[in-house]
Amino acid sequence: NAGVTQTPKFQVLKTGQSMTLQCAQDMNHNSMYWYRQDPGMGLRLIYYSASEGTTDKGEVPNGYNVSRLNKREFSLRLESAAPSQTSVYFCASSEAYPTGSSGNTIYFGEGSWLTVV
Amino acid sequence: QKEVEQDPGPLSVPEGAIVSLNCTYSNSAFQYFMWYRQYSRKGPELLMYTYSSGNKEDGRFTAQVDKSSKYISLFIRDSQPSDSATYLCASPSGGYQKVTFGTGTKLQVIP
Repeated sequence: NAGVTQTPKFQVLKTGQSMTLQCAQDMNHNSMYWYRQDPGMGLRLIYYSASEGTTDKGEVPNGYNVSRLNKREFSLRLESAAPSQTSVYFCASSEAYPTGSSGNTIYFGEGSWLTVV
Repeated sequence: QKEVEQDPGPLSVPEGAIVSLNCTYSNSAFQYFMWYRQYSRKGPELLMYTYSSGNKEDGRFTAQVDKSSKYISLFIRDSQPSDSATYLCASPSGGYQKVTFGTGTKLQVIP
């Protein structure tokens, strides 16, 4: 199984450009997430989708939009990229209520390194 | 203030040392506590979890929760160079629909 697959792995954007990060999971999970990871700030939740057809804002949603295309796919769009959005982006998925018990955990993709110049 | 805080390190120890990694949290509603391990240029993976207060042991790793002081700890015995990674504490929040992570502590075990 591939698990969580996100593309592209690396991207350089100019300020003001737009782009979409794609994510797909093959574990039949209901919940999907987008996090960004920055030095000293840790993993911060951008948006999440608890089930197909629903999306909710996380801790740092400004400047981003998401689409839960179907149960497998959850995309993140930067409409007008800014240097502050330079970061590593992680897509993740889980069953409902990821408490860690019974193996119910969040599974992460390999990350997408985005630089905005 | 972040709901989960931890010292970012880096923490450098010799091989075989006992390592203590710590987090504090502010939300009294947190019941489950997880530790994730993240190797360089990889996504985090679940290491272990605990529920409410007390200790949980898994091989060389022990997770400890003190709810009275809102303190979470991870102890690594007989640390190995392969333990070199960033360790993140985390807790489900928002009705368990999402997971809040700490900033992560970078650990280096020197052979």
